[in-house]
Amino acid sequence: KAGVTQTPRYLIKTRGQQVTLSCSPISGHRSVSWYQQTPGQGLQFLFEYFSETQRNKGNFPGRFSGRQFSNSRSEMNVSTLELGDSALYLCASSLWSGDNSPLHFGNGTRLTVT
Amino acid sequence: GESVGLHLPTLSVQEGDNSIINCAYSNSASDYFIWYKQESGKGPQFIIDIRSNMDKRQGQRVTVLLNKTVKHLSLQIAATQPGDSAVYFCAENRGETSGSRLTFGEGTQLTVNP
Repeated sequence: KAGVTQTPRYLIKTRGQQVTLSCSPISGHRSVSWYQQTPGQGLQFLFEYFSETQRNKGNFPGRFSGRQFSNSRSEMNVSTLELGDSALYLCASSLWSGDNSPLHFGNGTRLTVT
Repeated sequence: GESVGLHLPTLSVQEGDNSIINCAYSNSASDYFIWYKQESGKGPQFIIDIRSNMDKRQGQRVTVLLNKTVKHLSLQIAATQPGDSAVYFCAENRGETSGSRLTFGEGTQLTVNP
């Protein structure tokens, strides 16, 4: 069974631009979560989607948004990029939401903002 | 921000020895805990999980111990191998919201010396 797939693997953007990251969950998984990983802040929760609805949201500004499609695939968007948005963005999927089933992560998208 | 704490940022062991990685948490309401392994350039990989109604769970070469009295979680790796070298994260579901939302610790870098 294929794991969580994230595209692209690397991105370089300029301040002020926007970016869209894509995530395909494990087949059959209906919950998709996004996390930001930086050396200073570690792994921080962005949001979770389940059945095309945002279930939870972390403490990030409104420039960070996401959505989920009917096939459970998800995208996240960051608008008006800032230097501090440079990070590894990780997507994770799980079978359900809130049932304490393990989250399985992809290998992330490395975003560099210059 | 708030996070699950770890006692040591780095741990160095000899190949073949047993490793113990510790984690302290602060939220008594947390009901689910997970250990992840993250190798360079990859996303976190699920190792083992435990629910709050248990105090011990074993997997292949790994054991997780949960002490709710002192809010302490540990990961034991038996016969540590060079391939075990990675950063290890503990994570908890604090049960503050519905859905699947994990709070991560800061990570312990495990180095296995041949």
